[in-house]
Amino acid sequence: GAGVSQSPRYKVAKRGQDVALRCDPISGHVSLFWYQQALGQGPEFLTYFQNEAQLDKSGLPSDRFFAERPEGSVSTLKIQRTQQEDSAVYLCASSLAGTRTYNEQFFGPGTRLTVL
Amino acid sequence: AQSVTQLGSHVSVSEGALVLLRCNYSSSVPPYLFWYVQYPNQGLQLLLKYTTGATLVKGINGFEAEFKKSETSFHLTKPSAHMSDAAEYFCAVSGPNSGYALNFGKGTSLLVTP
Repeated sequence: GAGVSQSPRYKVAKRGQDVALRCDPISGHVSLFWYQQALGQGPEFLTYFQNEAQLDKSGLPSDRFFAERPEGSVSTLKIQRTQQEDSAVYLCASSLAGTRTYNEQFFGPGTRLTVL
Repeated sequence: AQSVTQLGSHVSVSEGALVLLRCNYSSSVPPYLFWYVQYPNQGLQLLLKYTTGATLVKGINGFEAEFKKSETSFHLTKPSAHMSDAAEYFCAVSGPNSGYALNFGKGTSLLVTP
């Protein structure tokens, strides 16, 4: 595809359920970023990858959050035992270069997670 | 650590009036600064960016911003507002120390009235 895609676009989970959110970056993009955007707030950094290596996960809010990118392309953000405070839009972005040089990040449309 | 502060969570202007959205940054290293726009139920779109070089940067849709190191500011302006400019605007900062991950402000909602 031409841009970053994310699936599902909307997800409703009952509190305590596990969820998995998928990000397909632009083909050939080396870097991949995840952000969390709560209602009425700016996006907040969660984690980023350079190829399959997770270089920074300092933004993950708890050990219930886990991200992977095993083949250096598609990435999955998993949230275990979801809580109501996890309700947010989860944004994925990719950029062409590695994280040692600046390249524009291209954002996907996001996955809106609602935890009931 | 790097951060940005956007002054004013809501700004209202008349169509044709000047748009001014304020952003101040904090950074211990030379910052990379950005403005993004988000329309309802859509993804983030880059309006403009400052990395190095000329401090006045022009972006899409007639927007521009000026990097002022002495004031630690990167305010966004547009001479004449259009109805289609109504959206949420986010200022962001990044740099090599964070792998170029973006640190966003809380956003400013721009309302344009006829």
